[in-house]
Amino acid sequence: IAGITQAPTSQILAAGRRMTLRCTQDMRHNAMYWYRQDLGLGLRLIHYSNTAGTTGKGEVPDGYSVSRANTDDFPLTLASAVPSQTSVYFCASSLTGGYQETQYFGPGTRLLVL
Amino acid sequence: SQQGEEDPQALSIQEGENATMNCSYKTSINNLQWYRQNSGRGLVHLILIRSNEREKHSGRLRVTLDTSKKSSSLLITASRAADTASYFCATGSYSGAGSYQLTFGKGTKLSVIP
Repeated sequence: IAGITQAPTSQILAAGRRMTLRCTQDMRHNAMYWYRQDLGLGLRLIHYSNTAGTTGKGEVPDGYSVSRANTDDFPLTLASAVPSQTSVYFCASSLTGGYQETQYFGPGTRLLVL
Repeated sequence: SQQGEEDPQALSIQEGENATMNCSYKTSINNLQWYRQNSGRGLVHLILIRSNEREKHSGRLRVTLDTSKKSSSLLITASRAADTASYFCATGSYSGAGSYQLTFGKGTKLSVIP
C-alpha cells in the first residue's frame, strides 16, 4: 500500500440499503477526511477525524456516519442510502490536521444509488 | 457553503500558451491551496500560499494572492497537453469547533490542445 486506498472503486446500490466505503492510509497521518464531489458543486466535506478516536461533522454530514478506531482506517457508512447520495466520494488525509498542511487524496469511490 | 470560486469554469488553450485561473473567496483565510484533478482521479496538491505571501513559484506554476481583494490566481506557463485537468482552489480556516478545514471551489476545467 502506498498512500491512500479506497474500496470499492465503484458501486451500484439500491435505495434503502446500507453501505460502507472503506479508506485506508499508510502514511501514519493523524487527520482524515471524507468528501463528496458532485458536478457543479465541487468538493464538500462530510466528516473528518483529527486523531484516532475522535470524529467531527463537516458541511454535509446528514445520512452519513464515520468511525476512527485506529490511525489507518476511516470508514464512511451510509445507513440507508438515498438517490441524492449518488456521488463520487474521496477520502483524504493530512499529517495532523494543522493549518499549513497539504491533504492527500485517495482515488475515489463512485456510488450510484437507484 | 462554497468559500472559493474559480473563474473561468472552463478554459481551452493551445499547447505552449499560458493558462490563468482565478479564485475568489469570501472570508479571512490562513492560507490558500491549489489542487489538480485529472479525469477520474483524486486531487493532487500543487502549491500552498500563506496569507502573508503575495506570490509563490513552483516550476511552471505561479500563484499570487491578494488578501485585500480576497482573490488568488494560478498561472501555468508554457502549457502542455498533460496539464489538461481540473484545477481547484481551497481556502483554509478554522471551524467553530476549532478544527482546521479546507473549503474547495467548484474548479476550472483546463483543456490544452496539442
